Amino acid sequence: SAVISQKPSRDICQRGTSLTIQCQVDSQVTMMFWYRQQPGQSLTLIATANQGSEATYESGFVIDKFPISRPNLTFSTLTVSNMSPEDSSIYLCSAPRGDYNEQFFGPGTRLTVL
Amino acid sequence: GQNIDQPTEMTATEGAIVQINCTYQTSGFNGLFWYQQHAGEAPTFLSYNVLDGLEEKGRFSSFLSRSKGYSYLLLKELQMKDSASYLCAVRDGDYKLSFGAGTTVTVRA
Repeated sequence: SAVISQKPSRDICQRGTSLTIQCQVDSQVTMMFWYRQQPGQSLTLIATANQGSEATYESGFVIDKFPISRPNLTFSTLTVSNMSPEDSSIYLCSAPRGDYNEQFFGPGTRLTVL
Repeated sequence: GQNIDQPTEMTATEGAIVQINCTYQTSGFNGLFWYQQHAGEAPTFLSYNVLDGLEEKGRFSSFLSRSKGYSYLLLKELQMKDSASYLCAVRDGDYKLSFGAGTTVTVRA
């Protein structure tokens, strides 16, 4: 299985600040995805991050709030900007592997905004 | 968009079999995934189906019928550690996953 790591694993932040989450994959992947899982809910896709192009955001998510970088084929960052308590959630990165018949998730970043 | 339905909760006895159904309506289909998620942890990949039929992996099997927009995950010889949430996810042509709300399975002794 793929090894995907994320940093930080958790953080508690103040309203109005920003947090950058890092995602590292153990091999080169074309596509990386960022998901959010709010308390007690399922996963929602935030954006697709492909190397060499701008991230593609899903409805309800915008680049000013969730800027994404994808500098190479093994790494991506997601920033949660100008945070509010409603941003408290688990943020997960994901990447398909092999012949795209497997898709793995990182361990997640648990964010609490006060 | 995607509309994915699965039961909210299921309870079964240790050693028994449980079948979790998932129905979907999609604007594009490029595979169906099942994940297991224990409380406080990230989802763990269980299975992938893109063609009709049954895929078996040890105690877990997954079935797909594309014409019916239907899948199920079959858990056999249930163990206490199988108590978790099981997520059905459909992938579209852009490789994006849409998730159902999840089914919480409780295994009782």
